[in-house]
Amino acid sequence: RKEVEQDPGPFNVPEGATVAFNCTYSNSASQSFFWYRQDCRKEPKLLMSVYSSGNEDGRFTAQLNRASQYISLLIRDSKLSDSATYLCVVGATYNNNDMRFGAGTRLTVKP
Amino acid sequence: GAGVSQSPRYKVAKRGQDVALRCDPISGHVSLFWYQQALGQGPEFLTYFQNEAQLDKSGLPSDRFFAERPEGSVSTLKIQRTQQEDSAVYLCASRVGTGDEPQHFGDGTRLSIL
Repeated sequence: RKEVEQDPGPFNVPEGATVAFNCTYSNSASQSFFWYRQDCRKEPKLLMSVYSSGNEDGRFTAQLNRASQYISLLIRDSKLSDSATYLCVVGATYNNNDMRFGAGTRLTVKP
Repeated sequence: GAGVSQSPRYKVAKRGQDVALRCDPISGHVSLFWYQQALGQGPEFLTYFQNEAQLDKSGLPSDRFFAERPEGSVSTLKIQRTQQEDSAVYLCASRVGTGDEPQHFGDGTRLSIL
């Protein structure tokens, strides 16, 4: 079983739709959590950190459930420009030096 | 710009050759990571530096892979006697500290072994 698992998708949604991605992690000692987005043939770019209390940045909302060991990303009112692969990232150890990536969830937003 | 810079962007080598990939992190960043990303997969951790110290090299796939960061800034990932399965994108990331700050990635080096 991989340490960080994501539904690979692809998710194909129309503009304006709401879409949610989940990610599960296996190491209960994990301390830090992030969502990155990666466009085709580009480097990963930070979308948002994920905090225990949940956090929101515009149309994006991230949630962390430590008891169930999963994090989620909700995108509201999706735009064409949201089309990308979304990577779940978990800091696997107390010192945050061992960062584990999920394989990514691919999103395509269509007009 | 002030981001992470990697060179070369593309590298083609024949099987058995040695290659060296360079990473210039964001100035002043303490932490530096190397990842390998195969097509359709997420980045896989290779190694981690805190300043010049290589604190974790557990992800290096074999002893053909070697990384260094002698002065705590620029880092080089070297692959000796390359094999076809080494073909991948190699990503470098830096982080300002050693806590839960996010990493910032370079564009990567796309390595193709013929």
